Amino acid sequence: LAKTTQPISMDSYEGQEVNITCSHNNIATNDYITWYQQFPSQGPRFIIQGYKTKVTNEVASLFIPADRKSSTLSLPRVSLSDTAVYYCLVGDIRTGGFKTIFGAGTRLFVKA
Amino acid sequence: DAGVIQSPRHEVTEMGQEVTLRCKPISGHNSLFWYRQTMMRGLELLIYFNNNVPIDDSGMPEDRFSAKMPNASFSTLKIQPSEPRDSAVYFCASSLSLAVRETQYFGPGTRLLVL
Repeated sequence: LAKTTQPISMDSYEGQEVNITCSHNNIATNDYITWYQQFPSQGPRFIIQGYKTKVTNEVASLFIPADRKSSTLSLPRVSLSDTAVYYCLVGDIRTGGFKTIFGAGTRLFVKA
Repeated sequence: DAGVIQSPRHEVTEMGQEVTLRCKPISGHNSLFWYRQTMMRGLELLIYFNNNVPIDDSGMPEDRFSAKMPNASFSTLKIQPSEPRDSAVYFCASSLSLAVRETQYFGPGTRLLVL
């Protein structure tokens, strides 16, 4: 299984761009990279997913280099409400099975 | 759609008692997941189902834990007997399928405290 490594925590200020990098050196050919966001007392919520290069949606962008051994979640102009834990997951498809490994995540704290 | 529904939202029980957590997945979703979250261990996948069939329960910590999915709209996670170390937030999630590209939608969780 591909393991992910993220910074434990990050601080930012409102209006800044935040980039959270995730390392996944053992990523397999069929793996996708998915990011979830979790607010206190809530379940995780899907943010974005990608396989390679760049993906952008209304919430964030995901940058994946050619070797796919890392990925960077980019949150443009964060607000106080973006304070949450962000999880990077690498999907692993196996015959007859599926694994979701949530690491410790990155705790983002946005200050005014 | 109301999203994934879990009940109860909070449960306080005494050690040795049986605890049953309930989950109603999003209609039309074929895959269902049970997770446990604690400060020490983070978010752990306990078991998942596809088309009501348990696929992998290797994450279930002990035989005291069991899960069932009798139909496409209902699943239970049972702990018998419960122990203080089972105290955690238990999340249920559902997705259209097990394909890795499918988003998992999480419920609000059940906060369990075993005294």
